Amino acid sequence: DGGITQSPKYLFRKEGQNVTLSCEQNLNHDAMYWYRQDPGQGLRLIYYSQIVNDFQKGDIAEGYSVSREKKESFPLTVTSAQKNPTAFYLCASSSPDTYEQYFGPGTRLTVT
Amino acid sequence: GQNIDQPTEMTATEGAIVQINCTYQTSGFNGLFWYQQHAGEAPTFLSYNVLDGLEEKGRFSSFLSRSKGYSYLLLKELQMKDSASYLCAVTDNYGQNFVFGPGTRLSVLP
Repeated sequence: DGGITQSPKYLFRKEGQNVTLSCEQNLNHDAMYWYRQDPGQGLRLIYYSQIVNDFQKGDIAEGYSVSREKKESFPLTVTSAQKNPTAFYLCASSSPDTYEQYFGPGTRLTVT
Repeated sequence: GQNIDQPTEMTATEGAIVQINCTYQTSGFNGLFWYQQHAGEAPTFLSYNVLDGLEEKGRFSSFLSRSKGYSYLLLKELQMKDSASYLCAVTDNYGQNFVFGPGTRLSVLP
């Protein structure tokens, strides 16, 4: 079955620690995205990558970093510089044929 | 600049019809998507409009007017399971960068 996986579903960290959220897809999509969603809010773009070894900042990239060493993988690191990291994080990929975005199940990060 | 507006909340009755509006002002435009998102879950694709007009898919229809920067999602024969947030999203000229609206939380009452 093709799809996007994110792990873990729930993640708890202490303030001041970096944490990496994983995102893997086997849809053979070139483009991948990371979004943040706060309660009752829409999705805000953190980073996106249109091809391996290339990525661009979205609207709220400060305090986050990404890498794209493989087509299938687009991990997101939430650094200690992110002032308010507690949120629901969604990874997505898109097909150039249909432009539709496919979403992973999300990771809910809680930092205390 | 990028700006997408949707009503924050709507309420409708089971079996009724509801229209959720979306207006957008973006620096580029390739197409408009509607997604459904149940609480705590990932968004799922509902519809995609690239040309003006109405796209119908079962109980769901989506309309686009590019000259007015306006779209709506029409849900017919509402069911309790339609209670969710509905997200409007616009893609840029290359179809790669997505901008999402704040979402409309729909409550379907018996």
